[in-house]
Amino acid sequence: GAVVSQHPSRVICKSGTSVKIECRSLDFQATTMFWYRQFPKQSLMLMATSNEGSKATYEQGVEKDKFLINHASLTLSTLTVTSAHPEDSSFYICSARDFRGTRLAGGRRSDTQYFGPGTRLTVL
Amino acid sequence: SQQGEEDPQALSIQEGENATMNCSYKTSINNLQWYRQNSGRGLVHLILIRSNEREKHSGRLRVTLDTSKKSSSLLITASRAADTASYFCATDPGAQKLVFGQGTRLTINP
Repeated sequence: GAVVSQHPSRVICKSGTSVKIECRSLDFQATTMFWYRQFPKQSLMLMATSNEGSKATYEQGVEKDKFLINHASLTLSTLTVTSAHPEDSSFYICSARDFRGTRLAGGRRSDTQYFGPGTRLTVL
Repeated sequence: SQQGEEDPQALSIQEGENATMNCSYKTSINNLQWYRQNSGRGLVHLILIRSNEREKHSGRLRVTLDTSKKSSSLLITASRAADTASYFCATDPGAQKLVFGQGTRLTINP
């Protein structure tokens, strides 16, 4: 199956610094990637949708200037948490979806999102 | 919020028993998907059921979908200790993104 990687898997930083998280699709071209945040014992909350070559679409309540998303290639999206604060500590998960290369029988497209292993961010 | 609800929030059973988790959602959907998440890890896709399907099987998994009630269930038969994880349903309302339920924490006791 399709593989999505994230780097780093774990990061600890000081308050006020910026942290960049990478999400890569390893064996397919991801025209769309999604960034989620998950707090302990809670569900995944979508932060933004990242489309290759265009600006990301942010969900309501997510600060676009704080969570910078770049999807410069078909296999890489990055999330930068700027001026991180302790309340930004969370588990960040990306997923990737390919609308172009996964045509199934009858012309249907793959509906599956493939998730990365997540990045644990701790802001001190 | 568009998020669905899952029930129960936590379920603890003995190995070998069947586990049933339910998911309800609020909007019309193209499909509904179930994912598993081991503690501190990413999500693993289990099964996808389309809005025009009522039941689907995959190994020990059985998923049902009732679009009139906006609900789905996931049945894991003959549970194993390795099935211990959190299980999430996610709906695709047609806007490319997934909306996740609150999740069920399943514990299989040996």
